[in-house]
Amino acid sequence: GAVVSQHPSWVICKSGTSVKIECRSLDFQATTMFWYRQFPKQSLMLMATSNEGSKATYEQGVEKDKFLINHASLTLSTLTVTSAHPEDSSFYICSARAGFPQETQYFGPGTRLLVL
Amino acid sequence: GQNIDQPTEMTATEGAIVQINCTYQTSGFNGLFWYQQHAGEAPTFLSYNVLDGLEEKGRFSSFLSRSKGYSYLLLKELQMKDSASYLCAVLDSNYQLIWGAGTKLIIKP
Repeated sequence: GAVVSQHPSWVICKSGTSVKIECRSLDFQATTMFWYRQFPKQSLMLMATSNEGSKATYEQGVEKDKFLINHASLTLSTLTVTSAHPEDSSFYICSARAGFPQETQYFGPGTRLLVL
Repeated sequence: GQNIDQPTEMTATEGAIVQINCTYQTSGFNGLFWYQQHAGEAPTFLSYNVLDGLEEKGRFSSFLSRSKGYSYLLLKELQMKDSASYLCAVLDSNYQLIWGAGTKLIIKP
C-alpha cells in the first residue's frame, strides 16, 4: 500500500505556543489530504479536507483560524495548531487519498500533542 | 442523513472466526472500506469493495451487498494481534468518506 509519513510523532508544548505538524505522501502524489483528530476511546473526527493549491475545507465546529492548513505541494500538507491550549491535546492523524484502489485513504502514523 | 452502523464491541476466542457487520445509508455509493486500528495507532487499510460479493485476502474477507446496504468483515483463525478496532467507511456520491464509529474486537485466549 501507499506510504504516508507524519512528523513529529510526539509534541509536548506550553499553552499559548503554536505547533506545526507535517504530512507527506512518500510514494504517490495526493491532490487531497485529510486531517483528523481522535480523543481517547473516541471515533475519528474529520477536521478538514486539504486540496493542493487551494484553501482547505473545514468541518463544522472546527476553527479555521486556530487550525491552519497549508497544502503547498502534491506530497505535503501541514497543520498548524495556533495558540494551543490543553483542550487541544489529542491524537492528530493525516491521510492522503490515492487513486488505488479507488479513492483509498492511507493514514500517517499520527501525532500525539500534549499541551501543558 | 448519512449513517453507518456497526456493533460497538465484540469478543471472540483465539483460533475462531468472527464476522463484523456494517450497515449503511448514504447519499450515493462509490465503495466501502474496512480499516483496522490498534489502540494508540492510526488506521491501516484492509479492504475495498465496490461490487457485490466476497473479496478474500488471506485470513480476512470482506463482503458487500449494495441492494441491502450491508457489508461484513470476516476474520478467520483469529490471533491475539487481531485485537483492535475495525472501522467501516463508505465513499458517498461526493467522494466523501463517511466513517462508522468502529467495532472494538477483543480476542480471548
